[in-house]
Formats: sequence, structure tokens, C-alpha cells
Amino acid sequence: GDSVTQMEGPVTLSEEAFLTINCTYTATGYPSLFWYVQYPGEGLQLLLKATKADDKGSNKGFEATYRKETTSFHLEKGSVQVSDSAVYFCALSPNTGRRALTFGSGTRLQVQP
Amino acid sequence: ETGVTQTPRHLVMGMTNKKSLKCEQHLGHNAMYWYKQSAKKPLELMFVYSLEERVENNSVPSRFSPECPNSSHLFLHLHTLQPEDSALYLCASSQERGGKYNEQFFGPGTRLTVL
Repeated sequence: GDSVTQMEGPVTLSEEAFLTINCTYTATGYPSLFWYVQYPGEGLQLLLKATKADDKGSNKGFEATYRKETTSFHLEKGSVQVSDSAVYFCALSPNTGRRALTFGSGTRLQVQP
Repeated sequence: ETGVTQTPRHLVMGMTNKKSLKCEQHLGHNAMYWYKQSAKKPLELMFVYSLEERVENNSVPSRFSPECPNSSHLFLHLHTLQPEDSALYLCASSQERGGKYNEQFFGPGTRLTVL
């Protein structure tokens, strides 16, 4: 079945550091890929998405590129802020059949001033 | 109200109680979902409703019973729960068109504690 693997956290960075959170997936066909963010005490919010190979999703300074050859969708940000501290989830959805998301286990990011 | 709302935000119940979680979406979507978020585990899909169709995760115990009276409301009825059912329960909605996926929008969740 489909699966998503994320790097384990927590990831602790200083403000303005470069961020990479790795995500790889296993799926048949060409799934859509997503990054969601969960701030403390809140539900998940869609951060960015990509629906086909080589697409780059971007939002709020975050970027991720859909790499079919390496089945990866790594999240990057050039300069993190304290306000980026949250849990980040990589997810996929098949483009046919069952419509629900398969999530990774989440990676907690802590940014220190 | 905007987006996806969930009530209550926090719930403490005994194992013999019966309670219900409520979710309402104000986005005009036609599909709704229940997820369970436990500590140190991936999000688990529990139920999906899309128009008249219900897709159920086979591993969901019968002590969880969903109800979707219309496309804007989704309930999760709880009875005789176990302490291991304590978790954050998240509701989401999306707009499905011809089987094509569209992103899901999540509510803030209900934090459930079973004593």
C-alpha cells in the first residue's frame, strides 16, 4: 500500500538557519503530494502541494519539488523564523480510487531565537 | 463561522459514557473525513463520506460510529471507549469532482481523554 516516510524529529535550528525536512513516498501511479503544518493547539493547515512530477510547490518561503525519480518531496526554507516552530506532515493522495490522504509521522521543528 | 469547525474542543469521558463529536464545514464541500491523531503515530484515517458513499477503515472498532446527515455536518458517536482511544480527533473536508483529488481542509480537532 501507499506510505510516506519522514525524517524523525525534533529538528532544532537557530533563527535564519536553512531548513530541510526529508520526505519520501511509496505509491502506485502518480500521486499528489502535500506538506501540511500543525501549530500548537491547532488542526492541520495545507502549506503547499504538487500534483505532477517536477512541479514545485511554494508558500510562505517554503518550497518542495516533486521528484518522481527519487520518489521524494523534501521541504526547504532558506531562513527559518521562530514562528515556523510547528509539526510538519508530508502526505500523498492517489489520483484515482480512494481519495483520502496518507500521512507521514510528522517532524517537529523548533526554532530558537 | 468559516472553514471547518469542531465541537467540543476538549472532552473527558469515562469508559461507560456515550458522547458525540461534531464537525461542520462552511466551505460548500461534498466530502468529509475523520482522522485520529495519537502521540508518536501517523495520522490515521477513520472514515470518509463523499456524497452518499461511506468508506470505512476496516480497523476502526465498532465503538466509533460516524453519521453524516448532510454534506455540511459530520458526527462521530462514541460509546464504551477504552483509555487507548484518547487522542486528537480531526475532521476535514474537501471538494471532490469526477474522482479528482482536491486538498483537504482541517478543523482544529477535539482532544479526547478517556478515563
